[in-house]
Amino acid sequence: AQSVSQHNHHVILSEAASLELGCNYSYGGTVNLFWYVQYPGQHLQLLLKYFSGDPLVKGIKGFEAEFIKSKFSFNLRKPSVQWSDTAEYFCAVILLGRNYGQNFVFGPGTRLSVLP
Amino acid sequence: EAGVAQSPRYKIIEKRQSVAFWCNPISGHATLYWYQQILGQGPKLLIQFQNNGVVDDSQLPKDRFSAERLKGVDSTLKIQPAKLEDSAVYLCASSFRPVGRQGSSYEQYFGPGTRLTVT
Repeated sequence: AQSVSQHNHHVILSEAASLELGCNYSYGGTVNLFWYVQYPGQHLQLLLKYFSGDPLVKGIKGFEAEFIKSKFSFNLRKPSVQWSDTAEYFCAVILLGRNYGQNFVFGPGTRLSVLP
Repeated sequence: EAGVAQSPRYKIIEKRQSVAFWCNPISGHATLYWYQQILGQGPKLLIQFQNNGVVDDSQLPKDRFSAERLKGVDSTLKIQPAKLEDSAVYLCASSFRPVGRQGSSYEQYFGPGTRLTVT
């Protein structure tokens, strides 16, 4: 079965540190890729998405992600984190193809804590 | 615009009881999703509707879970009877059209969720 893995369960950084959160998926076909964020007490919201084209995708709040097809990866990056980036981050994949429903598969999430 | 509404926000029930959750999607959104998010895990899609028809319910435990979207707008998700392992947050999301179609760039919008505790 298809799956999405996220490398870290909990990441702790100081403000201004650089961030990279790993995401890998197990599916050899065409995919759409997403990063969602859930700030404390708030709804899940979309950070960025990749459908096709330039594999380097820019999202909101200075986040970006790079799709590397050969590595089945879609890692999230931010050059300098702020305390307000403290949240749970979810990678998600939607699998495109005749034999699959249009269902999202979410990773288990990575909790980011940014220390002031 | 108003977001996805869900009620109740919290529910505590005993095992073997039944429970229902309600979702009102963003106006005009044809696609509606129900997810189950168990503590420490990512959301798992239970069922996806396109208007009032089911597109995907492959991960819905149909012996105890049911969902409907009779008029293609609001939706209800029911659990009967509940088990301890059903304790989770149930999320509803909607999108204008199904996310993931080739050439589309639609986005899912999530509601606040209903936190269910089964004791």
